[in-house]
Amino acid sequence: DVVLTQSPATLSVTPGERISLSCRASESVDTYLHWYQQKPNESPRLLIKYASQSISGIPSRFSGSGSGTDFTLSINGVELEDLSIYYCQQGNSLPFTFGSGTKLEIK
Amino acid sequence: QVQLKESGPGLVQPSETLSLTCTVSGFSLTSYSVSWVRQPSGKGPEWMGRMWYDGDTAYNSALKSRLSISRDTSKNQVFLKMNSLQTDDTGTYYCTRDDVLFFAYWGQGTLVTVSS
Repeated sequence: DVVLTQSPATLSVTPGERISLSCRASESVDTYLHWYQQKPNESPRLLIKYASQSISGIPSRFSGSGSGTDFTLSINGVELEDLSIYYCQQGNSLPFTFGSGTKLEIK
Repeated sequence: QVQLKESGPGLVQPSETLSLTCTVSGFSLTSYSVSWVRQPSGKGPEWMGRMWYDGDTAYNSALKSRLSISRDTSKNQVFLKMNSLQTDDTGTYYCTRDDVLFFAYWGQGTLVTVSS
């Protein structure tokens, strides 16, 4: 199974900051890497598909990059509503797997 | 609009069988696949298995011996059955519209607790 390692586990941020979250795969997943946001007591929400493709309705401050084994989710100007846990997920091979998440909290 | 809703018992006894139903609307089960994803409290999600749009199934090998997914297209429902439940099967169970390689739509989730 492909193991996805997310770092850091927790990130303390100041509103307005530009931040980057990392997701590293144990083997190449090409660009079949997707990002989700999960707020407390809510279901995950798709943010970015295929490493860098935007999703309708998602604010433009969210962007993704990477291919192969190294991926980044960036938020350009963090807002309070972005305080959540972010997960990456690979769709390159079964079983699909998720990372353990990065939690954004206020500094 | 696309909607999915999970239903089933909130409490299951250890060693018993879990049965969940996912009722969908806004899309056809013969055009889109549906996956089940579960999430233990405080942990990342785990993909369990998929009902393909053509009726085929795929399972996570870690669960395959205990898991069965089926559907009733006339009722727009997908079913999950998992036997021999243990306490580490406790968590929130989601059904998702499976856009082949990612999960664009999620149900609200149903909390399943395995306890005597």
